[in-house]
Amino acid sequence: QQQVKQSPQSLIVQKGGISIINCAYENTAFDYFPWYQQFPGKGPALLIAIRPDVSEKKEGRFTISFNKSAKQFSLHIMDSQPGDSATYFCAANTGTASKLTFGTGTRLQVTL
Amino acid sequence: EPEVTQTPSHQVTQMGQEVILRCVPISNHLYFYWYRQILGQKVEFLVSFYNNEISEKSEIFDDQFSVERPDGSNFTLKIRSTKLEDSAMYFCASSQGGFDGYTFGSGTRLTVV
Repeated sequence: QQQVKQSPQSLIVQKGGISIINCAYENTAFDYFPWYQQFPGKGPALLIAIRPDVSEKKEGRFTISFNKSAKQFSLHIMDSQPGDSATYFCAANTGTASKLTFGTGTRLQVTL
Repeated sequence: EPEVTQTPSHQVTQMGQEVILRCVPISNHLYFYWYRQILGQKVEFLVSFYNNEISEKSEIFDDQFSVERPDGSNFTLKIRSTKLEDSAMYFCASSQGGFDGYTFGSGTRLTVV
C-alpha cells in the first residue's frame, strides 16, 4: 500500500514535444506529491510538487495534473528540450516531514 | 542557494569494514534523512532524524546502521560491518518541515569489495 507505481520506465521525445510521465498510488493518507529530477551522478532535485486540494499546478514548462479519485498524478513537460534529459521520479509522503516513497523512475531522453 | 554537502563523493571499502558517511545539512533545517539508491533502481528511505533522535526507520536500517548528529552542523551515517549489498549511492537530505520539499545532497557512492 506504500508503493508508488510509475510509468513508463523510459521515454524518448523529440525536441519541442510533450513528455508525459504517470504515477499511481494506493495510500490515501499521502498528501504531498513532488516530482524530482536527477542527472547522472547527482542527487534528486525537487522540480515541482502538488497537494491534493488542487487538480493542476504549472511552473514554467512543467505541469502536474492530479486526479484524487483515481489516485493518479502525472508530470507534463511542454516544449521538451535536450537539457531535460534526465531521470524523473515521482514521490509521495503523508506529512510535511515524513519519509518520501519514490516511484521507480523514468529515464527521459529528448532528441534533436 | 543553500545546499546539502556530502563527503566523500566516493568511498571504496572492504567487506566487513566500518564506514562513516558525512553530511552537512542546510543550516536552518530541522529534519534530516538518509536515502540510498542501488545503481539503476529507485531511491529508498533509510532513516529520518529530528530533535536528536530517530523519528522513523525502514527495514533496511538494521542494527548495522546508525546515525548521529555529533555537533550543530554534521549528520553522519555509520555502517558497522559493510556487506557487498551495501554498495549504493547514499543520499543525505534535509527539510524545514513545511511543504517546500527536501533538499538532497549529491550523494556518496559506496563501493564494497
